[in-house]
Amino acid sequence: DVKVTQSSRYLVKRTGEKVFLECVQDMDHENMFWYRQDPGLGLRLIYFSYDVKMKEKGDIPEGYSVSREKKERFSLILESASTNQTSMYLCASTPEGSYNSPLHFGNGTRLTVT
Amino acid sequence: AQKITQTQPGMFVQEKEAVTLDCTYDTSDPSYGLFWYKQPSSGEMIFLIYQGSYDQQNATEGRYSLNFQKARKSANLVISASQLGDSAMYFCAMREANTDKLIFGTGTRLQVFP
Repeated sequence: DVKVTQSSRYLVKRTGEKVFLECVQDMDHENMFWYRQDPGLGLRLIYFSYDVKMKEKGDIPEGYSVSREKKERFSLILESASTNQTSMYLCASTPEGSYNSPLHFGNGTRLTVT
Repeated sequence: AQKITQTQPGMFVQEKEAVTLDCTYDTSDPSYGLFWYKQPSSGEMIFLIYQGSYDQQNATEGRYSLNFQKARKSANLVISASQLGDSAMYFCAMREANTDKLIFGTGTRLQVFP
């Protein structure tokens, strides 16, 4: 079974802090994704990566950056956290060139910025 | 640009009855995949069912079936014989062949009552 692990289930940070959300997958998937989930808005794509050191902006990249130095790890970075970034963050992965393959999700990180 | 619309924020259904959750999509890519995910209160994203744009038959997985009407660009999820454990958020999603992005709708909260 594919396992996608997000390092923290809950996280509380202060406004202005630099925040790292970590995600690791164990199935050698090329593609990795970061979404945020907010009530009434569904899941919105922040960034995705289709290979090591490769990244593409999703629909809401502002205020975020990502890092993919190793194939299994995809990090989401909030350079200066703000209260409007309080949300549930979901990481996912899938093999390359597989538009018919489902994404495998981690359990999510609920981030609160105070 | 690809787009997914779920017009039902909430639905109620009595146990053992069938329920249909609506999903419409928009894309200019002839090759795409449609997915349904379930998210219980625990927060995990559970993949339910997949329909490819070239599939001739509607997808079925146990009590889940997908009513795929390509000309109308709709991909409704049908849950037969609802169970209390079906109470959850349900998300429709689409992935085009020319991009690895999976785009989600805003979700439908289904509540099953005895």
